[in-house]
Amino acid sequence: DQQVKQNSPSLSVQEGRISILNCDYTNSMFDYFLWYKKYPAEGPTFLISISSIKDKNEDGRFTVFLNKSAKHLSLHIVPSQPGDSAVYFCAASLLSYNTDKLIFGTGTRLQVFP
Amino acid sequence: DTGVSQDPRHKITKRGQNVTFRCDPISEHNRLYWYRQTLGQGPEFLTYFQNEAQLEKSRLLSDRFSAERPKGSFSTLEIQRTEQGDSAMYLCASSLLDRPGPSTLGGYTFGSGTRLTVV
Repeated sequence: DQQVKQNSPSLSVQEGRISILNCDYTNSMFDYFLWYKKYPAEGPTFLISISSIKDKNEDGRFTVFLNKSAKHLSLHIVPSQPGDSAVYFCAASLLSYNTDKLIFGTGTRLQVFP
Repeated sequence: DTGVSQDPRHKITKRGQNVTFRCDPISEHNRLYWYRQTLGQGPEFLTYFQNEAQLEKSRLLSDRFSAERPKGSFSTLEIQRTEQGDSAMYLCASSLLDRPGPSTLGGYTFGSGTRLTVV
């Protein structure tokens, strides 16, 4: 049962344009969401997060939007840069259940071309 | 601070053999996590420790798997009687927190992983 889904396995965007990565979830009890970036041969690195009580969080070029009614979140990268080329994972947690384990999606491979 | 170290980086083993992986967390971190990632999937939670106490285990952690953190520092993950389905990247992460909270949840630091291939 895949509780966190990333339905687009890959995305290709031109440098300078906006990249939009999408994530859907099924468990309405999730209370915190995170995005991680992963380069080949490295572990995932934390990018940005959002609490379920908010609908937007921004950090530099990265903005995460949360639509609780649709159980959907998205990561916007503006402007996209070639160094952003990586696999992006959406993750969710159940902090209110006193656990900090993360439930990850399957990832979206972003390629930013010049 | 050298980050989270995992050893070995790669391991090839024959089916039925036992393997052990080691994770050295960031020195002041009190929480340590193990995840497994198979091809085309995201990381899947296996277990985590606070100091030497194992706080939670996933049902993915069958009785062939055992994880320890005997002195609250490094951790080992052992897989007994390996099967081809155990082939995966095993990721370790660490963090410093007593209670999970929004400001610290993103503070997981992952290692580069141990890639296990069972032939």
